[in-house]
Amino acid sequence: AQTVTQSQPEMSVQEAETVTLSCTYDTSESNYYLFWYKQPPSRQMILVIRQEAYKQQNATENRFSVNFQKAAKSFSLKISDSQLGDTAMYFCASADGNNRKLIWGLGTSLAVNP
Amino acid sequence: NAGVMQNPRHLVRRRGQEARLRCSPMKGHSHVYWYRQLPEEGLKFMVYLQKENIIDESGMPKERFSAEFPKEGPSILRIQQVVRGDSAAYFCASSARDLSNTGELFFGEGSRLTVL
Repeated sequence: AQTVTQSQPEMSVQEAETVTLSCTYDTSESNYYLFWYKQPPSRQMILVIRQEAYKQQNATENRFSVNFQKAAKSFSLKISDSQLGDTAMYFCASADGNNRKLIWGLGTSLAVNP
Repeated sequence: NAGVMQNPRHLVRRRGQEARLRCSPMKGHSHVYWYRQLPEEGLKFMVYLQKENIIDESGMPKERFSAEFPKEGPSILRIQQVVRGDSAAYFCASSARDLSNTGELFFGEGSRLTVL
């Protein structure tokens, strides 16, 4: 069975600085998707960034980028130039072998301080 | 183009009552997923439906829980004879194609069920 582990329950960063959130996963599949979702206090899940496992290039979306280490099964999220609006829970997730459902980590609560 | 709409946003039920949660997917989306989020936890998959069909219900408790996605109207997650352990946020997500093609789900704001 697939598992996703986020080892940092809480993190904080000063505004404008850079922070990295960790995620490791376990899968026996050869191809799969990995995701980072953001859940602000409004509670709606918002997709931050997506990585396809067969792509070697790390995904980037504006201030958000990932460090995808396939052999190590690591998928960390880097947030550059942190903004107050980045304060939220961040969840790492993987799509299972059938790519029909997401397996989620327990989340990292990120606080961006002014 | 409205997003995924869930209602009610908050629902309070007493033990033994029934809870019905509704989800209207984004326009043009025929794939619907229900997830449950317990306090201080990530989301747990419950069920995946396409129009009129249940594709994967491996995350759904065998008793008291059911889901449907009729040809017309919203998807319904139904919980009969609720117990306190059912208290959670229930999220619906939709996609235009299954995850293997698009890799992206669009989430609603969730329905928070409280069982007294």
